[in-house]
Amino acid sequence: GDSVTQMEGPVTLSEEAFLTINCTYTATGYPSLFWYVQYPGEGLQLLLKATKADDKGSNKGFEATYRKETTSFHLEKGSVQVSDSAVYFCALPLEGGGNKLTFGTGTQLKVEL
Amino acid sequence: DAGVTQSPTHLIKTRGQQVTLRCSPISGHKSVSWYQQVLGQGPQFIFQYYEKEERGRGNFPDRFSARQFPNYSSELNVNALLLGDSALYLCASSPPDRGREQYFGPGTRLTVT
Repeated sequence: GDSVTQMEGPVTLSEEAFLTINCTYTATGYPSLFWYVQYPGEGLQLLLKATKADDKGSNKGFEATYRKETTSFHLEKGSVQVSDSAVYFCALPLEGGGNKLTFGTGTQLKVEL
Repeated sequence: DAGVTQSPTHLIKTRGQQVTLRCSPISGHKSVSWYQQVLGQGPQFIFQYYEKEERGRGNFPDRFSARQFPNYSSELNVNALLLGDSALYLCASSPPDRGREQYFGPGTRLTVT
């Protein structure tokens, strides 16, 4: 079935460092792809999305490009801040239609001063 | 606009008991989905409801059930609780025109002892 695989964390960076969190997917066709973020003690927030191949989603300085050649949707940010410390989840819609997502296991990001 | 709300925030139950969790979607959203997030993992899809009808069910036992009311709010019921049911239960609602986007509530933390 459709699934996503994320790099394991935690990822620890210094403030202003460059961030990459890898995500690869297995899917039939070309589904929409999402990144969600979960701050400590909170639910998930939609960070960005891409609906077709070669689309670039962006929000709050984060970017991810939908690459069908490598079946990837890596999350990047040029300069992280302490406030970006959170768990990041890659996701795609489950087969069978409807509003149901399958998520990766999450990557914890810790940004230090 | 108010986001997705869930109640209660935290809940402690003993094995064998039953629990009901509640969710109110964002105004105008007619679809509600439920997810279970075990500590350290990504959310797992449990149910989706749209216009009061079940539109999808994940790989969960029959002890899990849900329903949606005419005002689009929803309840998730779990019977005969097991220790393994301890998790964060997330509710998400979706707008009618961007159904694959999901907006999550803060979750209900269920602890089964």
